[in-house]
Amino acid sequence: KQEVTQIPAALSVPEGENLVLNCSFTDSAIYNLQWFRQDPGKGLTSLLLIQSSQREQTSGRLNASLDKSSGRSTLYIAASQPGDSATYLCAAIKAAGNKLTFGGGTRVLVKP
Amino acid sequence: ETGVTQTPRHLVMGMTNKKSLKCEQHLGHNAMYWYKQSAKKPLELMFVYNFKEQTENNSVPSRFSPECPNSSHLFLHLHTLQPEDSALYLCASSPSDTYGYTFGSGTRLTVV
Repeated sequence: KQEVTQIPAALSVPEGENLVLNCSFTDSAIYNLQWFRQDPGKGLTSLLLIQSSQREQTSGRLNASLDKSSGRSTLYIAASQPGDSATYLCAAIKAAGNKLTFGGGTRVLVKP
Repeated sequence: ETGVTQTPRHLVMGMTNKKSLKCEQHLGHNAMYWYKQSAKKPLELMFVYNFKEQTENNSVPSRFSPECPNSSHLFLHLHTLQPEDSALYLCASSPSDTYGYTFGSGTRLTVV
């Protein structure tokens, strides 16, 4: 059974600092890995999707890497802003069938 | 808006009530999902539908009854719920397991 873990559970940084969010998964037979952002009480907004054949994806200040062999993905957010404050969730999509397994999330606070 | 619309946004219901949650997508996706997000717990997959057929029921109690009349609409019928069923219910869709998921904004359900 796939298990996805995100450490730390919470993170507080001053504005301008780079953010590094970690995600690990136990079953390397994933199809894709997807990073989401969730604001309090809201739904999930997709940030980046990395297919299993890819090593990384970039979008603006966001960069996500994927290392299937070690079961890890990392989300980097450069030059953080207070608007980046949210919970960030990673999710692994199983190779067979449409099953998305989520980590517990990392709650980020960027202080002005 | 992400392209996945959920209604209502908020719902308060008594334990003897019957209500339904609605999810609609016009993204041309062929898979739809219900997820439950409780406080301090990872997102839990409830049901998966592919081409209107249920392909996954993640041991969900029978007081939750899904319905998928077509590839664009998904319902979650609720009856005789318990207070512990209070949570954010999220609907998602995907074209396939290659391209990732799109989530709605969720329905915040409170059972009193």
